[in-house]
Amino acid sequence: GAVVSQHPSRVICKSGTSVKIECRSLDFQATTMFWYRQFPKQSLMLMATSNEGSKATYEQGVEKDKFLINHASLTLSTLTVTSAHPEDSSFYICSARDWTRGVGEQFFGPGTRLTVL
Amino acid sequence: GESVGLHLPTLSVQEGDNSIINCAYSNSASDYFIWYKQESGKGPQFIIDIRSNMDKRQGQRVTVLLNKTVKHLSLQIAATQPGDSAVYFCAETPYNFNKFYFGSGTKLNVKP
Repeated sequence: GAVVSQHPSRVICKSGTSVKIECRSLDFQATTMFWYRQFPKQSLMLMATSNEGSKATYEQGVEKDKFLINHASLTLSTLTVTSAHPEDSSFYICSARDWTRGVGEQFFGPGTRLTVL
Repeated sequence: GESVGLHLPTLSVQEGDNSIINCAYSNSASDYFIWYKQESGKGPQFIIDIRSNMDKRQGQRVTVLLNKTVKHLSLQIAATQPGDSAVYFCAETPYNFNKFYFGSGTKLNVKP
């Protein structure tokens, strides 16, 4: 199946710093990638839809200036959490859609655990 | 976002028994439904999907049933194994696959 990687897998940072998370589709081109946030024992909440070469579309309530998304190539999207605070601590998961498979199935990365001290 | 929810937050079954996990959705325009399995500390893993023009689809040991009349989706796992222990999410998306909305999840515990 299609493989999606994320880097880093875990990150601990101080409050006020910025953290960049990378999402890569390793063996297919992804025109669309999704970013999710998941708090402990909760479901995945869609944060934004990232389209290659254009601005991301953010879900209601997600601050675009705080969660910067860049989808510069067909295999890479990045999420930057700016001026992170403890309440931003969460599990961030990306997914990528492979249109060649026809049904728009999305493939998930392994997630990035962010802890803000 | 759209509302996709589950009836049972935790389900415990004996190894070898069949498991049924349920999901309710609210958007009648949803066209595509997916079940995912998520193990602790990992990203979701695709299990099985179904289009809105179908009411049943079978995979290996898994079956998904869709009842559009009552907006209900279920995942049946036959002969549940310890490796099936995980959290299971349903997700739905409209025909253009622009957004995927996840249910609240059910934790499946398989007792040996």
